[in-house]
Amino acid sequence: NAGVTQTPKFQVLKTGQSMTLQCAQDMNHNSMYWYRQDPGMGLRLIYYSASEGTTDKGEVPNGYNVSRLNKREFSLRLESAAPSQTSVYFCASSEGSWYSNQPQHFGDGTRLSIL
Amino acid sequence: GQQLNQSPQSMFIQEGEDVSMNCTSSSIFNTWLWYKQDPGEGPVLLIALYKAGELTSNGRLTAQFGITRKDSFLNISASIPSDVGIYFCAGHRGSTLGRLYFGRGTQLTVWP
Repeated sequence: NAGVTQTPKFQVLKTGQSMTLQCAQDMNHNSMYWYRQDPGMGLRLIYYSASEGTTDKGEVPNGYNVSRLNKREFSLRLESAAPSQTSVYFCASSEGSWYSNQPQHFGDGTRLSIL
Repeated sequence: GQQLNQSPQSMFIQEGEDVSMNCTSSSIFNTWLWYKQDPGEGPVLLIALYKAGELTSNGRLTAQFGITRKDSFLNISASIPSDVGIYFCAGHRGSTLGRLYFGRGTQLTVWP
C-alpha cells in the first residue's frame, strides 16, 4: 500500500537554484495538496488541486508553482530557491472534492535545505 | 490564517500515564480530525469525527467532537514509548468554506 509517494526525501539547494518536488498517489483521489511545515508553525497550505487540470493558491503560494500532471501526480516547483523556503514539504490527497470533509492522507515529506 | 488553538504545545509524561490534549476555535467546525506524526514521517490519520457530541475510540485513543462544535479533545490512556510524536488536530468548516485548518501540534514525549 504505497498511498502518497514523495520524491526526493532530502535535498540541498543553493540560493537561486530551481527544483521540482514530485508527488504521486495511488488511491484514485480527486484532490491533492502541497503543505510546508516549519517549527512552531504547523502545516501551511501552499497550493491545492481540486481535480486534474485545476490548481488554486493556498495560504503561502509566493515563490512556488504547481502542476497537476494527471489524476495521480501533483508537482511543486521552486523557480529560484531562497533560504526562507527551507522547510519540510508534504503532499497530501483526499477522496472527493477539495471542499468536502474527507480526511487528507499524507506522504512522508521532502526535507529541503537552501543554503 | 491559523484558526485552531491546540494545547498544550508539549507534554512530558511517564509511561503508563494518561494524556489529554485539546483544540479550540472561535468558529464552528463540521468535522474534526486527529493526526499523529512520527519523527521523520508524514501525519497519519488517527480518528475522524463528523457529529457534535460524537465520541470515537481507536485502541487506547479516544477523541470527542465538542457539543459547541468549536472544540475537540483527544485522550490517550496508559501511554507507551511509541506514543511519542506530534499530535495535530484539524477541522473542516463546511463545503462552502473549503479547506482543512490545522492546529500547531502537541509534542508528546514519553519517558520509560
